[in-house]
Amino acid sequence: DAGVIQSPRHEVTEMGQEVTLRCKPISGHNSLFWYRQTMMRGLELLIYFNNNVPIDDSGMPEDRFSAKMPNASFSTLKIQPSEPRDSAVYFCASSLTMDNEQFFGPGTRLTVL
Amino acid sequence: GNSVTQMEGPVTLSEEAFLTINCTYTATGYPSLFWYVQYPGEGLQLLLKATKADDKGSNKGFEATYRKETTSFHLEKGSVQVSDSAVYFCALFSGAGSYQLTFGKGTKLSVIP
Repeated sequence: DAGVIQSPRHEVTEMGQEVTLRCKPISGHNSLFWYRQTMMRGLELLIYFNNNVPIDDSGMPEDRFSAKMPNASFSTLKIQPSEPRDSAVYFCASSLTMDNEQFFGPGTRLTVL
Repeated sequence: GNSVTQMEGPVTLSEEAFLTINCTYTATGYPSLFWYVQYPGEGLQLLLKATKADDKGSNKGFEATYRKETTSFHLEKGSVQVSDSAVYFCALFSGAGSYQLTFGKGTKLSVIP
């Protein structure tokens, strides 16, 4: 199995631009999680889906952040407009069910200038 | 709410030294406890877990015992190797309607030859 796939691995953009991060979960996994990792705040859960439906988005920091899961094999996290304080590593994770072990992707390192 | 506190790093050890990374938690109910490891440039990988009090999780020479009385889940390894250099995260999962992992801030371990 290829594991959780994230793209791009690195993204550098300018403040105000739209950023889209992509995730392909492990085939057969029904739950998908988006995390953000920063030095100051550590790992934070942003949102998670079960069977393509958002279950809890209380961790999404602002309305500038949005996430979708149009089908079982693809999810996006969008930031519009981006700001320098959004710079972080964004991880996607998937699990068989919501209460099973989560498998993490390699992350996307986002830098907003 | 749930929280995880782990010892701050960085921790630097010589090869074959004994490792302890402390982790304590607060949680409602009866959480499951985890240690994740993050190697440079990679996502998080599950290292070991314990799902109930007095359980011992073990993997790759690492061990941690779920101590309910002290709300602790300390990570230990008898003889570290250079390849163990990574960031280690303690985490809990409480279920109880919230299917998210709560992570500690992470402890960076460097093992020198």
